[in-house]
Amino acid sequence: QVQLQESGPGLVKPSQTLSLTCTVSGGSISSGSYYWSWIRQPAGKGLEWIGRIYTSGSTNYNPSLKSRVTISVDTSKNQFSLKLSSVTAADTAVYYCARGGVVRTAGYFDYWGQGTLVTVSS
Amino acid sequence: AIWMTQSPSLLSASTGDRVTISCRMSQGISSYLAWYQQKPGKAPELLIYAASTLQSGVPSRFSGSGSGTDFTLTISCLQSEDFATYYCQQYYSFPLVTFGQGTRLEIK
Repeated sequence: QVQLQESGPGLVKPSQTLSLTCTVSGGSISSGSYYWSWIRQPAGKGLEWIGRIYTSGSTNYNPSLKSRVTISVDTSKNQFSLKLSSVTAADTAVYYCARGGVVRTAGYFDYWGQGTLVTVSS
Repeated sequence: AIWMTQSPSLLSASTGDRVTISCRMSQGISSYLAWYQQKPGKAPELLIYAASTLQSGVPSRFSGSGSGTDFTLTISCLQSEDFATYYCQQYYSFPLVTFGQGTRLEIK
């Protein structure tokens, strides 16, 4: 059973960089069959896909966030990470990591982490 | 960009009822649509993908239908554990995927 677990600071100051890590267990992040994504959800609102990474390091980002987002992978630790720079209060949200398919026909998310709340405040 | 309209935003129903939730697209997306259930404080869980394929382990009272621009999630006989928020997700514009605004299903 694949499990994902987010970790990182719960409080970030405005203009600083948000950094989160997702640790994958029960399966290898290097399996080659999946992309690994970050998705966020402001309190009481809907879901927004942030971006994804493949085991090779290939990435895709949401154009609305692309200028501020970096996603990286550490296959030796079975982890992938999110960095979001120049944060504002609008970036306050629960951040999820999730597993999605490689091809368009599998572009949905079958495993999710439990989510971690990140608050942007001074 | 593909615009998604999910309706209703709030649905009140009773245990045993049959309910439907709609997701309408601004352009055709074939069958590249998934449905998720989210309970308070929890991550979304995949219910249906490819518009009508039930994810493993999901009860058969859940079903999905539609293609092109109009999609429906149906719960045939509501159980107490089904009261939650439901989201549709399009992946036609993969890798840029988007979610509907959500439908909160509450006990009448």
